[in-house]
Amino acid sequence: DGGITQSPKYLFRKEGQNVTLSCEQNLNHDAMYWYRQDPGQGLRLIYYSQIVNDFQKGDIAEGYSVSREKKESFPLTVTSAQKNPTAFYLCASSTSYGYTFGSGTRLTVV
Amino acid sequence: GENVEQHPSTLSVQEGDSAVIKCTYSDSASNYFPWYKQELGKRPQLIIDIRSNVGEKKDQRIAVTLNKTAKHFSLHITETQPEDSAVYFCAVQEGNSGYSTLTFGKGTMLLVSP
Repeated sequence: DGGITQSPKYLFRKEGQNVTLSCEQNLNHDAMYWYRQDPGQGLRLIYYSQIVNDFQKGDIAEGYSVSREKKESFPLTVTSAQKNPTAFYLCASSTSYGYTFGSGTRLTVV
Repeated sequence: GENVEQHPSTLSVQEGDSAVIKCTYSDSASNYFPWYKQELGKRPQLIIDIRSNVGEKKDQRIAVTLNKTAKHFSLHITETQPEDSAVYFCAVQEGNSGYSTLTFGKGTMLLVSP
């Protein structure tokens, strides 16, 4: 998967439940990102991290949380406060030469 | 923050025709402009990019042009083939390091008919 692994590929969440999406990279990239993709909306930035133990909110951070305890890992938690979580979630990492995306997690509320 | 507009939202062409997708951006400090191709259910793949010190870049059937004064850039695909059918996204990055975030356009669905 190009050095970035996202899991699971499909995830179903019940109302009121928190779920965590995994993102692991072995590219030795410092920067990592989470984007949300909805039909006709492009990719919108949720959170990003430029270094271990530090992260910043993106444009649509409400209802999401992240951690960056290791350089290789940047998990995203979709909390019950996110009222419309059904979407395709993409993780990415970058160097000065550009971004590498993971294969995505499709989250559906049931 | 940066605002990126992409047009058209859908584009249908016949095989062999050319396709052009245009993006405009708002922040004159932006200096890196990649284009991504995304097939259904898959991750975006970088197909070409351009930096602000270059006006045009070409890679086989794909080219990108940049007009920094007007703050717009375009993707040109010549001799289109059915396998070019996908969603194409432009993006804009501020700053000079790989740590800067990308702001994406909303995408163009390109359909190439045989």
